[in-house]
Amino acid sequence: AQSVTQLDSQVPVFEEAPVELRCNYSSSVSVYLFWYVQYPNQGLQLLLKYLSGSTLVKGINGFEAEFNKSQTSFHLRKPSVHISDTAEYFCAVSEWGSQGNLIFGKGTKLSVKP
Amino acid sequence: DAGVIQSPRHEVTEMGQEVTLRCKPISGHDYLFWYRQTMMRGLELLIYFNNNVPIDDSGMPEDRFSAKMPNASFSTLKIQPSEPRDSAVYFCASIPSGGSSYNEQFFGPGTRLTVL
Repeated sequence: AQSVTQLDSQVPVFEEAPVELRCNYSSSVSVYLFWYVQYPNQGLQLLLKYLSGSTLVKGINGFEAEFNKSQTSFHLRKPSVHISDTAEYFCAVSEWGSQGNLIFGKGTKLSVKP
Repeated sequence: DAGVIQSPRHEVTEMGQEVTLRCKPISGHDYLFWYRQTMMRGLELLIYFNNNVPIDDSGMPEDRFSAKMPNASFSTLKIQPSEPRDSAVYFCASIPSGGSSYNEQFFGPGTRLTVL
C-alpha cells in the first residue's frame, strides 16, 4: 500500500527567506508525484508534478521540487517566499496505471510573516 | 470554463438529518472523485466514478454515506442520517477524459459541513 508522509505540519518563515517542505512516500510500485496548494477557503490546485525524466521539476509561483528515488522523497522548495504563499501544501502520489486516484499526505501549513 | 462547481458552499444541519452535497464536474471530464478533509485524518478519498459508474467506494466510511452520478454533469453525496463526526469539508474533483494516473485533478471549492 502507498503512503505519504509530510514531516512538518507547520512551517513558519519570514518573507523573502527560502523554504523547503518535506515529503516522503512509500510504495511497492512506481508512482507519479504531485504537490498541490490550498489557499484559505479554496479547493486544491496543482503546483507541479513529477512523471519521469529530469528529477528537478519546476512549477507555478516559483516553486520547484526534486525527486530522489533512493530516498523516496519529493521535497518542495522556493528560494524566496512571499506573503501570498501562505497556504497549506499537500504532497500526493498516484500509482502507475491506476485511474488517477491520489493518496495525499496530511499537509504542511506554510505561514509567511512580514 | 467554470471549473468544478460544488453546492452548497456551507451547510449546517442537526444530527439525524439528511444532507445532500452536489457536484458538477468540468465539461468533458469523465472521472469524478469525492474527498473528505478533516483535521484528524487529512484528505481521504471516499469514492470515484468513471463515465458515471462507481469504480471504487472502499473509502466510504459507513452505509450512511451514498453517492450517485446520474449523468456526466452531476453527482451527489448523501449522508443519512448525519452525525457530528461527519463534520468536515467535502471536495469534488474531476479528471479529463481518458483519465490516467498522471493527470492533474481539478478540485471544486468544497462544501463545509457542520453537523450539530
